[in-house]
Amino acid sequence: EAGVVQSPRYKIIEKKQPVAFWCNPISGHNTLYWYLQNLGQGPELLIRYENEEAVDDSQLPKDRFSAERLKGVDSTLKIQPAELGDSAVYLCASSLSYRDEQYFGPGTRLTVT
Amino acid sequence: DAKTTQPNSMESNEEEPVHLPCNHSTISGTDYIHWYRQLPSQGPEYVIHGLTSNVNNRMASLAIAEDRKSSTLILHRATLRDAAVYYCILRRTTSGTYKYIFGTGTRLKVLA
Repeated sequence: EAGVVQSPRYKIIEKKQPVAFWCNPISGHNTLYWYLQNLGQGPELLIRYENEEAVDDSQLPKDRFSAERLKGVDSTLKIQPAELGDSAVYLCASSLSYRDEQYFGPGTRLTVT
Repeated sequence: DAKTTQPNSMESNEEEPVHLPCNHSTISGTDYIHWYRQLPSQGPEYVIHGLTSNVNNRMASLAIAEDRKSSTLILHRATLRDAAVYYCILRRTTSGTYKYIFGTGTRLKVLA
């Protein structure tokens, strides 16, 4: 069974540029999560989707971050414009439902210069 | 807040048991204790979880104190592939849904 797929794995951009990350969850998983992980820290939840509905986006900085999950499958997380402090690993995870264990992708390492 | 406290790092010899401690003195009655681990350059992966009773699975065992204010993840025979950051997490019910609060974890080093 294929795991959670994320692309790109690495991205380097200049500040003020836009950037987008893509996630393909495990087939059949209704719940999808985006996390932010700073160096030496544990992941922090940005947004959680139940199918195509964003049910918890309280930690998403909405002035520059946006996310979508069209058709309740793949998801995209966007930052516009990127700031130096956005340099981090962005992790996508999925689960059958919000009650179940989460499966994480390998993450996208973003460097903003 | 659903905080957990873990040692920053631990070392173990290969093929010996490892006991990874976690304190969660603010745990509430409905909080589950979850453990995930993160290998280098990978996302976290699920290890085990429990509520009150000790739990065993193919990867590890989870021993939960009677008052639930602490728990211990037990790897029965550490291998080099077990070198990772281990996160002890309280899964808290918030507004009818669950939320993981990750701490900084314990970095486990396994010595050959």
